[in-house]
Amino acid sequence: AQSVTQLGSHVSVSEGALVLLRCNYSSSVPPYLFWYVQYPNQGLQLLLKYTSAATLVKGINGFEAEFKKSETSFHLTKPSAHMSDAAEYFCAVSHAGNNRKLIWGLGTSLAVNP
Amino acid sequence: KAGVTQTPRYLIKTRGQQVTLSCSPISGHRSVSWYQQTPGQGLQFLFEYFSETQRNKGNFPGRFSGRQFSNSRSEMNVSTLELGDSALYLCASSAEGDTEAFFGQGTRLTVV
Repeated sequence: AQSVTQLGSHVSVSEGALVLLRCNYSSSVPPYLFWYVQYPNQGLQLLLKYTSAATLVKGINGFEAEFKKSETSFHLTKPSAHMSDAAEYFCAVSHAGNNRKLIWGLGTSLAVNP
Repeated sequence: KAGVTQTPRYLIKTRGQQVTLSCSPISGHRSVSWYQQTPGQGLQFLFEYFSETQRNKGNFPGRFSGRQFSNSRSEMNVSTLELGDSALYLCASSAEGDTEAFFGQGTRLTVV
């Protein structure tokens, strides 16, 4: 069975500071890993994904994540936070093939302070 | 090209009623998945349809059902609504062979 744990339901950073959102996964098969962002009253937008290619993945809006198999982690980072980054961030896992079932973490709400 | 469209955006229903939600996928996408999002349980997978066939199913009671039409549009139905069914229902479409799911803005269902 697959599962995702996001450490910290709320994270607050200052504008310009490093953003680090943590995600650990559990999967009995090689995983595909995703980070999505959700703005209030909106759907989910893909930030980046890992699908067994390069372990360091670069996404949109300056975000990146590194797949670490030994640590079963896929933490999301951004060197310098912007006010527009304030949103809910979700980590998700699925496995290879045509299985579209995404298993989600509970999300991390990111606040960016001026 | 147009994104995933979900209708209606907001819905208020009474306990015991039934409801149908609609999802139009991105043109050319044949896979449509549905998710329920609540503050307490987060995002949970309901089911996935591909070429009019249910391909995957989550752990929801039989009151939750869906279908997909030949044009890939999908509907989700919930019968005998309960207060706990109040949630944001999200639909996502994917192209075959693509790992990315594109989400609609969701339908917010309130059961009173």
